[in-house]
Amino acid sequence: DAGVTQSPTHLIKTRGQQVTLRCSPISGHKSVSWYQQVLGQGPQFIFQYYEKEERGRGNFPDRFSARQFPNYSSELNVNALLLGDSALYLCASSLRPQPSETQYFGPGTRLLVL
Amino acid sequence: GENVEQHPSTLSVQEGDSAVIKCTYSDSASNYFPWYKQELGKGPQLIIDIRSNVGEKKDQRIAVTLNKTAKHFSLHITETQPEDSAVYFCAASRGTDKLIFGTGTRLQVFP
Repeated sequence: DAGVTQSPTHLIKTRGQQVTLRCSPISGHKSVSWYQQVLGQGPQFIFQYYEKEERGRGNFPDRFSARQFPNYSSELNVNALLLGDSALYLCASSLRPQPSETQYFGPGTRLLVL
Repeated sequence: GENVEQHPSTLSVQEGDSAVIKCTYSDSASNYFPWYKQELGKGPQLIIDIRSNVGEKKDQRIAVTLNKTAKHFSLHITETQPEDSAVYFCAASRGTDKLIFGTGTRLQVFP
């Protein structure tokens, strides 16, 4: 079975641009979470979506937004990119939204903002 | 809010030795504590987890212990192998809230 897939794998943008990252969860998983992982640190929670509705939001500015589609795939959008947005963006899927449900992470999208 | 501290940041051991990574958490309401292994170029992978109603859990060479009174939990890897080399993250959650991750421990196992 395919695991969590993310696209693109790498991305280079300039300050002020906008970016869209995509995630496909494991088949049957209805919950998708997004994390930002800055080099040398642990992942930080950005959003969780379950059954197409936002279930949680981390301490990130409104420049960050996300949505989940009827097939449970998800997109993360970041507007007005800053240098500090450079990071590995991870998507995780699980059967249900509770953190105690095993979350399966994708390989991530590495974003570099110049 | 919840804060999770993780030590050490790097750990080097000889193959066959044991490795211990320690984490402390601040929110006494936290009740779920997973450990993740992240290899280069990959996303984190859950290796073991423990809930607050359990003090210790083992899975082959890996064990996790939890001390709720002291608000700390530890990962123990015995008989380490080179393929155990990776970055390990602890995390904590209230169970209905988001996971808060530690800052990671880079484990190197030398043959």
